Amino acid sequence: AQSVTQLDSHVSVSEGTPVLLRCNYSSSYSPSLFWYVQHPNKGLQLLLKYTSAATLVKGINGFEAEFKKSETSFHLTKPSAHMSDAAEYFCVVSDRAGGGNKLTFGTGTQLKVEL
Amino acid sequence: EAGVAQSPRYKIIEKRQSVAFWCNPISGHATLYWYQQILGQGPKLLIQFQNNGVVDDSQLPKDRFSAERLKGVDSTLKIQPAKLEDSAVYLCASSSYPGGEGRDTQYFGPGTRLTVL
Repeated sequence: AQSVTQLDSHVSVSEGTPVLLRCNYSSSYSPSLFWYVQHPNKGLQLLLKYTSAATLVKGINGFEAEFKKSETSFHLTKPSAHMSDAAEYFCVVSDRAGGGNKLTFGTGTQLKVEL
Repeated sequence: EAGVAQSPRYKIIEKRQSVAFWCNPISGHATLYWYQQILGQGPKLLIQFQNNGVVDDSQLPKDRFSAERLKGVDSTLKIQPAKLEDSAVYLCASSSYPGGEGRDTQYFGPGTRLTVL
């Protein structure tokens, strides 16, 4: 069985400072990992994904994440936060066991960006 | 490229009434998913279709929820009768899985926010 743990339910940063959203995963197979962002009253937008290529993955809007198998982590970072980054972020693992491409979502991290 | 379309965007009903949601996936995507997202939680998969066949409906409360994907394109999710605990956002997603580059990636629609009173 696969699972995802997002270690912080809320993160607050000042505009212009670095962002770190933490995620640990568990999977029986070589996983694909994703970060999605959800702005209020909007659908989920894909930020970036890891699918067994380069361990450092670059996404949209300056976000990146590093896959660390030894630590079973896939933390999301951004060097400098912008007000528009305020949203909920979901770490997601995909498990192709059984041929289903099933996604398992974490519980989400609410990012607040202050002036 | 048009994204995943869903309607309606908002729906308010009373308990024990029925409701239906519609989803049109990205053109050419073989796989379609319905998720339920309760406030403060991550989305939970309800049902997955590949073309017009069901791949996984293990989390679908079949006594009240039903879904179909006739002709392997658009899909309808129905709740009958609705309960208070069904209040949630219902998200539809699609992917090119099992084939195509980037087949692991699911693209989400804007969702339907259901309130059951």
